[in-house]
Amino acid sequence: RKEVEQDPGPFNVPEGATVAFNCTYSNSASQSFFWYRQDCRKEPKLLMSVYSSGNEDGRFTAQLNRASQYISLLIRDSKLSDSATYLCVVNIPTGANNLFFGTGTRLTVIP
Amino acid sequence: DAGVTQSPTHLIKTRGQQVTLRCSPKSGHDTVSWYQQALGQGPQFIFQYYEEEERQRGNFPDRFSGHQFPNYSSELNVNALLLGDSALYLCASSLDHAETQYFGPGTRLLVL
Repeated sequence: RKEVEQDPGPFNVPEGATVAFNCTYSNSASQSFFWYRQDCRKEPKLLMSVYSSGNEDGRFTAQLNRASQYISLLIRDSKLSDSATYLCVVNIPTGANNLFFGTGTRLTVIP
Repeated sequence: DAGVTQSPTHLIKTRGQQVTLRCSPKSGHDTVSWYQQALGQGPQFIFQYYEEEERQRGNFPDRFSGHQFPNYSSELNVNALLLGDSALYLCASSLDHAETQYFGPGTRLLVL
């Protein structure tokens, strides 16, 4: 079983739409949670950390449900520049800070 | 303030050859992690170096080895290359035990 599972998509949405991505993780000892964004043929870049209380950064809102081992990302008022692959990432405390990535969800925002 | 840098950007090798990839961490960072990202997949953890030692290793064979230098830069070596080693190799740096890792642009390796 994979440590992190997410729907690969693709999600094709019109500009201005609201889109939500979900991800589940299998290890209950997971400690830290993140969403990374990866543009085509580029490296992943940290979008936001995810906390149990939920956190918001402009049009982006991330939520964590530890009981269900579920993480979500909501993007409001989608822009063309939001087109990218969104990677759900989990840090499991194994003695080192190695990150476990989902396969990513591809988003395309259409004019 | 320079971010994480990697070299080379692209590389083409043939099966059975050996390759060395290089990474310089972000200024002030002492920990380097290496990841392999196959096409259409998320990055997979190869190993992490701290204080010039391999601290943790993912599910990769011994053909994958590494090194960290006193200036915290790092190398990833892959021996006896297989076609399946074709991927984007990403280096990430961080401060010891810090949550956030910063990725370099990657080296795209093609094995023919």
